[in-house]
Amino acid sequence: ELKVEQNPLFLSMQEGKNYTIYCNYSTTSDRLYWYRQDPGKSLESLFVLLSNGAVKQEGRLMASLDTKARLSTLHITAAVHDLSATYFCAVETGRAYIFGTGTRLKVLA
Amino acid sequence: KAGVTQTPRYLIKTRGQQVTLSCSPISGHRSVSWYQQTPGQGLQFLFEYFSETQRNKGNFPGRFSGRQFSNSRSEMNVSTLELGDSALYLCASSLMSGVGAFFGQGTRLTVV
Repeated sequence: ELKVEQNPLFLSMQEGKNYTIYCNYSTTSDRLYWYRQDPGKSLESLFVLLSNGAVKQEGRLMASLDTKARLSTLHITAAVHDLSATYFCAVETGRAYIFGTGTRLKVLA
Repeated sequence: KAGVTQTPRYLIKTRGQQVTLSCSPISGHRSVSWYQQTPGQGLQFLFEYFSETQRNKGNFPGRFSGRQFSNSRSEMNVSTLELGDSALYLCASSLMSGVGAFFGQGTRLTVV
């Protein structure tokens, strides 16, 4: 059974600090996605990672994929309050899309 | 460009009833996928439709079904509702299967 684990589950960080969210998955995958969800809202697509070594950056967020290690990271640089949200990774297996548990990020002023 | 539209936004049903949720994808998008989100189970994939064909399916009982019409609009049906079906149901559309997704605002279903 494909499992997708994110850690940490909760992250409270100071503005201006850097941190990384990890997404481990248990089997080979075709694609990996990162999403953001604000409280009471829907999901917003952040990144799609298609191949080993893929790195994508948007503003203060950078995502990378290591298919050999079955690991993706979402790195936050110089966090700001607006980044407070829940972040999900999701893995496509060819038959289904499996989401991680989510990381609830709170950036403190 | 209009986004993904889900109707209704909120719904209250009684156990044993059935419900139909609707999703209108972004114009030109042919792939529609459905997800269930609950505090206990998180986000779970229900199924994906592409050009009116179900391409992928998650691990849900047969009470959950869906379909896609020729205009790419999709409906999801849940029969014999149970309390545990209370959740936020999200729909997402894509140009092609699996290439990123744009999510709708969701339908919050409460089963009493």
